[in-house]
Amino acid sequence: EAGVVQSPRYKIIEKKQPVAFWCNPISGHNTLYWYRQNLGQGPELLIRYENEEAVDDSQLPKDRFSAERLKGVDSTLKIQPAELGDSAVYLCASSLESGGASGELFFGEGSRLTVL
Amino acid sequence: AQSVSQHNHHVILSEAASLELGCNYSYGGTVNLFWYVQYPGQHLQLLLKYFSGDPLVKGIKGFEAEFIKSKFSFNLRKPSVQWSDTAEYFCAVTLFSGSARQLTFGSGTQLTVLP
Repeated sequence: EAGVVQSPRYKIIEKKQPVAFWCNPISGHNTLYWYRQNLGQGPELLIRYENEEAVDDSQLPKDRFSAERLKGVDSTLKIQPAELGDSAVYLCASSLESGGASGELFFGEGSRLTVL
Repeated sequence: AQSVSQHNHHVILSEAASLELGCNYSYGGTVNLFWYVQYPGQHLQLLLKYFSGDPLVKGIKGFEAEFIKSKFSFNLRKPSVQWSDTAEYFCAVTLFSGSARQLTFGSGTQLTVLP
């Protein structure tokens, strides 16, 4: 079974530039998450989707971050414009149950963003 | 606000030593508890989980964790570590608030096992 696929693995950009990350969850997983992991910290939830609906985006900085999951399968996270503090690893995860009730999330390998 | 604390940021052990990583959470309601592991160059993966019942749960690769409700703790243990256990370990808690369930992670503990 294929796991959660993310791209790109690494991205280096200058501040004020836009950047986008893509995620393809495990087939059949209706719930998709985007997390941000800063250096030396644990993952922090940015947004959670149930199918194509964003059901928890309270931690997403909406002035510069946006996300979409148009067909309820793969998803894109965008930052525009990027700031120095956005340097982090962006993790995508998926789960089978609604709301991740069992707590077992399946993570991708992450996209490491460096903003210069 | 809910929080998960892992007080050990970096632990260094020799092979065959015993391991205990601490995890505390700040919430008095119903919780589910998890340990995730991230091996070098790999993605986060579930090590073990506790929902209810026996507070001593066993996971993969000889790891176990004990839920002590009175101490709000869920410490991870292994009697004898191996070099291959070198990884970063994250405690995580799902807090139930109404219909919302949010998985909150601790800051992680880097375990280095010396051969």
